[in-house]
Amino acid sequence: AQSVTQLDSHVSVSEGTPVLLRCNYSSSYSPSLFWYVQHPNKGLQLLLKYTSAATLVKGINGFEAEFKKSETSFHLTKPSAHMSDAAEYFCVVRYNNDMRFGAGTRLTVKP
Amino acid sequence: DAGVIQSPRHEVTEMGQEVTLRCKPISGHNSLFWYRQTMMRGLELLIYFNNNVPIDDSGMPEDRFSAKMPNASFSTLKIQPSEPRDSAVYFCASSRTGVGTGELFFGEGSRLTVL
Repeated sequence: AQSVTQLDSHVSVSEGTPVLLRCNYSSSYSPSLFWYVQHPNKGLQLLLKYTSAATLVKGINGFEAEFKKSETSFHLTKPSAHMSDAAEYFCVVRYNNDMRFGAGTRLTVKP
Repeated sequence: DAGVIQSPRHEVTEMGQEVTLRCKPISGHNSLFWYRQTMMRGLELLIYFNNNVPIDDSGMPEDRFSAKMPNASFSTLKIQPSEPRDSAVYFCASSRTGVGTGELFFGEGSRLTVL
């Protein structure tokens, strides 16, 4: 069985400050992990993915995430937030066609 | 390449009416997923297909919901009769690999409002 927990339902940062969105997962296997972003009235867009290669994964728009097996975590970070980063972010764990979404974290970026 | 294409983007209908949502997956993808998103329940997997065959429909809410995939380039999600609680955004997604680690590619969604 698999599950994913996003530890914060809402994160608020100021423009130019770092972003940290936290994700813990549980899986009986060696899963793949993803982060998706959803802007208002849009579909989900892939930010980055981990598929058992390098544990530090770089994605689009300056985001990156580090896979830590010992902590079962896959936190998403960005050094400097931009206003356009305001959106909903989903952490996802997948093994074969068993794909589980986190509840989402809404990121607000203040000017 | 064109992404996942969904239609209609918006649908407003009255309770009791039939609703059909359509999806065209990315060419070459052999898995297709239907999700529903609401504020209360978040993203819910309704059903997924591998090579046009329904694999898991345990997320389909009830018999009013049905999904088909007659060929590799087209799928429908039908609600008959529709109810106000079906109001949600319905997403279609496709994936290159049926087994493994490929990411899902999502359409823009169909926003359904049932009055």
